[in-house]
Amino acid sequence: GAVVSQHPSRVICKSGTSVKIECRSLDFQATTMFWYRQFPKQSLMLMATSNEGSKATYEQGVEKDKFLINHASLTLSTLTVTSAHPEDSSFYICSAIRRVRYNSPLHFGNGTRLTVT
Amino acid sequence: SQQGEEDPQALSIQEGENATMNCSYKTSINNLQWYRQNSGRGLVHLILIRSNEREKHSGRLRVTLDTSKKSSSLLITASRAADTASYFCATDVYPGGGADGLTFGKGTHLIIQP
Repeated sequence: GAVVSQHPSRVICKSGTSVKIECRSLDFQATTMFWYRQFPKQSLMLMATSNEGSKATYEQGVEKDKFLINHASLTLSTLTVTSAHPEDSSFYICSAIRRVRYNSPLHFGNGTRLTVT
Repeated sequence: SQQGEEDPQALSIQEGENATMNCSYKTSINNLQWYRQNSGRGLVHLILIRSNEREKHSGRLRVTLDTSKKSSSLLITASRAADTASYFCATDVYPGGGADGLTFGKGTHLIIQP
């Protein structure tokens, strides 16, 4: 159980275009989803916390107009990288928490490798 | 700032040997979690240890937590080639526990030589 599906796994786009990444919890309801960014051989950096039905909470330094997050249902959150530039090329990973409770592990998608040319 | 710091950054051992990775953190925590990441993939949760626990086992994994030293260790016994991956510790520092994003360490890249 606790499967998180992230799509697409890889995307190559031209500079100036927008890219949407989907994160779905397949067998549980995720009240909260998180979006992380990871550079090569680096750790995960939390970008934003997404709660179903409310606006996402962005970490300091993350542009909310650049990285649009929508959590329309308890099983789906999307991250849209708007007007992508080469510096946005990275590995983006979503994770979900089964429900708000004490000491819950995160369940991760398999990530999306974004390359902006 | 990064909450967790793992060491070593990289570790290469022979198959069958034990692998030990350490994690240090800076502030009080509710729990500490270890995750594994295969190259180019998402993270897989391995084990969670609560702040009031000192040791936890799961199969070939053994995790210890010393809150006085703000450190944790992950021991993988009888390592296998398939254990080759990056291992991250992550701390949950909010009182509510689990409802906010974890803070990840920089990770230890483990290579098991066949």
